[in-house]
This record gives sequence, C-alpha cells and structure tokens, in this order.
Amino acid sequence: DADVTQTPRNRITKTGKRIMLECSQTKGHDRMYWYRQDPGLGLRLIYYSFDVKDINKGEISDGYSVSRQAQAKFSLSLESAIPNQTALYFCATSDPTQETQYFGPGTRLLVL
Amino acid sequence: QKEVEQNSGPLSVPEGAIASLNCTYSDRGSQSFFWYRQYSGKSPELIMSIYSNGDKEDGRFTAQLNKASQYVSLLIRDSQPSDSATYLCAVVDWTGGFKTIFGAGTRLFVKA
Repeated sequence: DADVTQTPRNRITKTGKRIMLECSQTKGHDRMYWYRQDPGLGLRLIYYSFDVKDINKGEISDGYSVSRQAQAKFSLSLESAIPNQTALYFCATSDPTQETQYFGPGTRLLVL
Repeated sequence: QKEVEQNSGPLSVPEGAIASLNCTYSDRGSQSFFWYRQYSGKSPELIMSIYSNGDKEDGRFTAQLNKASQYVSLLIRDSQPSDSATYLCAVVDWTGGFKTIFGAGTRLFVKA
C-alpha cells in the first residue's frame, strides 16, 4: 500500500464551490505539506504542518485553508473555488532528521 | 523571496551520453540540497541529497555542490530513455522554518 495517499485523484468543480482534498500517510511523520504544481512554475507551498497543533502558511495560502485532524491526516480546502486554482495538488510528508519529502500521487483539480 | 533557479529545457541528449543538469539558489545559508525526478503525470521522487561541498555519487548519478558559487548540479552518466523526466532541484530553507523550496524543473529527453 502507498505510504501517502490522496483523495480524490481527479476532481472537476465549478466556480464558487467549496471542495476538500484529503491526504493520509502511514509513514509516521509529523511534518506534512500541501503544494500546487502549475506548468513552468514548479511546486509552490500552500500550507505546512510540523505537528497536529502547528499550522503554517506557505507562499500561496490565499484562498486555501487546512485542517490537521491527526498525525496521519492533513486536509486542504478551497472555500470558494476559482478557475486559477486549477492545478495539480500534492501532499507530502517529511522526516525532520532527513528532510526528504515523500509525495502522494497528486490530485488533478479543474475549476470551471 | 528565496529562489531556486533551473533552466527549464528541454535538454535533449542521446542514449549513452552524460546529461548535466544545473541549479542555482539565492539563500547563502542553505545547507541541504536535493534532486527529485518527476515523470509526466506522476509525483516527484528523491534521487539524490547532498550536504557538503564536492561530489556525491550513487550509481549513474553524481550530485555536485559548490556553496561559494551557490550552485548544485546533477550528472547522469550513460543516460537511458527511462531517464526522460523532469528533474527538480530543491533547497531546504533552514532560516525560514525548514521549508523546502523547489526549482521549476528541467525537462530531460534521452533519445534512443
């Protein structure tokens, strides 16, 4: 089984709708991240969490919110989706002793 | 804004040749450097990490780091068509909360 899972894998929604992307991990890592990837722009950090009680904004947090329900679960919400939030979204975890990022399979989101 | 810069490519090399991928970073205080490989439609996966000046070899891959020049590179020897992917350079920002900053990636094509 995959160590980092994301649901859904693909999502089409309409402008103004609220949607939630979910991430679960079995790696036992405290640190979790949400990134979005757009062509030519690489991975940009949306939010990150170093433990259940710690939530931090990344470089592009506007229009997004997160919830860290447990060590293993980190959800990303788009409160009112807009077309420029169309992107590939990745969840990742890391071990603080190694700093290596372990990515989920990604969620492809299309906002119409 | 701390930055990681890569040539977007595409870089095209014949099978069996050496592929050279380059990356520069703006934060002189960075201490941890990574190369991730991302196949089209897939999530990034770690290839190499390097922390000290000099070369680090792992199979056909060699990472090179020059902190004075703020430069990190990845050499792929005996390139194979299966190496065709986007390669992401990543730098851990120790002073900014241990966040990983990714470059936009270089697309590599290995021609059979």
